[in-house]
Amino acid sequence: EDQVTQSPEALRLQEGESSSLNCSYTVSGLRGLFWYRQDPGKGPEFLFTLYSAGEEKEKERLKATLTKKESFLHITAPKPEDSATYLCAVLGSSNTGKLIFGQGTTLQVKP
Amino acid sequence: DARVTQTPRDKVTEMGQEVTMRCQPILGHNTVFWYRQTMMQGLELLAYFRNRAPLDDSGMPKDRFSAEMPDATLATLKIQPSEPRDSAVYFCASGQLEEGTQYFGPGTRLLVL
Repeated sequence: EDQVTQSPEALRLQEGESSSLNCSYTVSGLRGLFWYRQDPGKGPEFLFTLYSAGEEKEKERLKATLTKKESFLHITAPKPEDSATYLCAVLGSSNTGKLIFGQGTTLQVKP
Repeated sequence: DARVTQTPRDKVTEMGQEVTMRCQPILGHNTVFWYRQTMMQGLELLAYFRNRAPLDDSGMPKDRFSAEMPDATLATLKIQPSEPRDSAVYFCASGQLEEGTQYFGPGTRLLVL
């Protein structure tokens, strides 16, 4: 069964304190790994798609990386506006288009 | 800037009443998804459609929930009768099934008293 586990559940950082969020997955035939950002009261906002091990993508202070078992979302010198819940999801070859989501990591960045 | 739209944004109703939520997917997307999000369960997939045909509704309580796509610009999710345990945020998302990326709407926050 395809599964996604995110850690930690919650993370508190000081502004400028870099860190990483983890997304571990088991899936039969990875077709894509997706990162979303969700602000309170809003829908998840698409950030990145990674397709194969070794791939990296960057957007402002965020960099997503992928291995055969996990993905990391690295946050460099975060700012308070980076505070949000970050969701990871996988699309497997047997899922017919369904994304399997993790429970998310809630990030709080204090000024 | 194309976006998924959902109405209503908030809904408060009493137990036993019918609730209808609407979604307008992004033009050109061939797949529409309905999700429910709660603190306890996270994001749960209820049902999804490809080219307006239902592909999977196994996540939906069949006795009270129904989902339809009357046309390419409208998807609906109905709950009848509603129960307090249905209180949650309901999201619609659209995308190209083959590509995988889903784009979410702002959600409908439902409270059943």
